[in-house]
Amino acid sequence: GENVEQHPSTLSVQEGDSAVIKCTYSDSASNYFPWYKQELGKGPQLIIDIRSNVGEKKDQRIAVTLNKTAKHFSLHITETQPEDSAVYFCASRGSTLGRLYFGRGTQLTVWP
Amino acid sequence: DTEVTQTPKHLVMGMTNKKSLKCEQHMGHRAMYWYKQKAKKPPELMFVYSYEKLSINESVPSRFSPECPNSSLLNLHLHALQPEDSALYLCASSQVETAYEQYFGPGTRLTVT
Repeated sequence: GENVEQHPSTLSVQEGDSAVIKCTYSDSASNYFPWYKQELGKGPQLIIDIRSNVGEKKDQRIAVTLNKTAKHFSLHITETQPEDSAVYFCASRGSTLGRLYFGRGTQLTVWP
Repeated sequence: DTEVTQTPKHLVMGMTNKKSLKCEQHMGHRAMYWYKQKAKKPPELMFVYSYEKLSINESVPSRFSPECPNSSLLNLHLHALQPEDSALYLCASSQVETAYEQYFGPGTRLTVT
């Protein structure tokens, strides 16, 4: 089955700096890559996603890039704010419908 | 509106109890999911329902029994659980099983004593 690896496991940045989280996947049939933000005591929130026919997608301070050849995708957060502090999960969807494969998560802490 | 609601928020149950978790969505989605999440781990898929029929069962023990009474509701019936079943139980939905976006509810924090 699909294997998704996510790095780093923890990331601390100063407010205003950028943060980058990277994921790799193994299944070349994977075609959809969402990112979820999970705050303490809450469910995961879909914040951005990208499909395999696109290389980059932006939504205000958040962007995701995808390199299908290298099988990796990244989340970029610019001008970080303390409210960006949360656990971020990358995921991929391969050939099994409805099944998302998650990375192990990154705890992002933004210091004021 | 991408809201999935779950009740109760917290549940404490003994190993001999029977309880149920409830999930509801009014987005017209026809695929619904149960996930289990342990602390500091990613969500693990348990069950997928598509058009009210069970589509995926990830070899979940029979002490967890899902039910989809209609397209808006998803239940998870719990019986004879073990302390290691304590976790956050998340419900999610998507337009259909082939749709990409899955939207999660806030979860039920379950403690088995």
